[in-house]
Amino acid sequence: EAQVTQNPRYLITVTGKKLTVTCSQNMNHEYMSWYRQDPGLGLRQIYYSMNVEVTDKGDVPEGYKVSRKEKRNFPLILESPSPNQTSLYFCASSLSNPGGNQPQHFGDGTRLSIL
Amino acid sequence: QKEVEQDPGPLSVPEGAIVSLNCTYSNSAFQYFMWYRQYSRKGPELLMYTYSSGNKEDGRFTAQVDKSSKYISLFIRDSQPSDSATYLCAMRGTGFQKLVFGTGTRLLVSP
Repeated sequence: EAQVTQNPRYLITVTGKKLTVTCSQNMNHEYMSWYRQDPGLGLRQIYYSMNVEVTDKGDVPEGYKVSRKEKRNFPLILESPSPNQTSLYFCASSLSNPGGNQPQHFGDGTRLSIL
Repeated sequence: QKEVEQDPGPLSVPEGAIVSLNCTYSNSAFQYFMWYRQYSRKGPELLMYTYSSGNKEDGRFTAQVDKSSKYISLFIRDSQPSDSATYLCAMRGTGFQKLVFGTGTRLLVSP
């Protein structure tokens, strides 16, 4: 089954404790992206990757890091999490630049709470 | 001003009603227009897309784009309780490398 898998689905942690949210897709997609979803602000892109070893900042990259060492994996790293990073995070992938008949496939989300 | 504006709702309608969901945008470079549906505790999934102006129909769903007014719409005919979800518009310009999403409209269809 074609899917984007995120782990963990839920995480409660404390300020400053480094964490990684994993994302894996099994569709051989080149484009992968991380979003955060907040009430009243909608989906905002954090980082995206056009292919292996190619990453770029989205709209809200501060406080986050990513890497793309393999095509299928795109982890999101919070080196020193802060409470303002409490949010619902989504990983997404598409065959190429998303839009039109290149749909983005989303994972089911990671709800992150930072105390 | 946000690039894409969308009324958050909630929009409550009875089963069988015609639903109209809308987004306005400010960037005239947008050419690809999409509607995503997001059920509670799930990620968004692509519902429909259109390129440039015009209409597109798929079953009970119709997407319209009016580039002159920078306005897009999604119509749902004969709405069902299973249509209850949040609907997000998204758009992109040619040559751009990311989508811009609206904040989403929550739709509730009561039996």
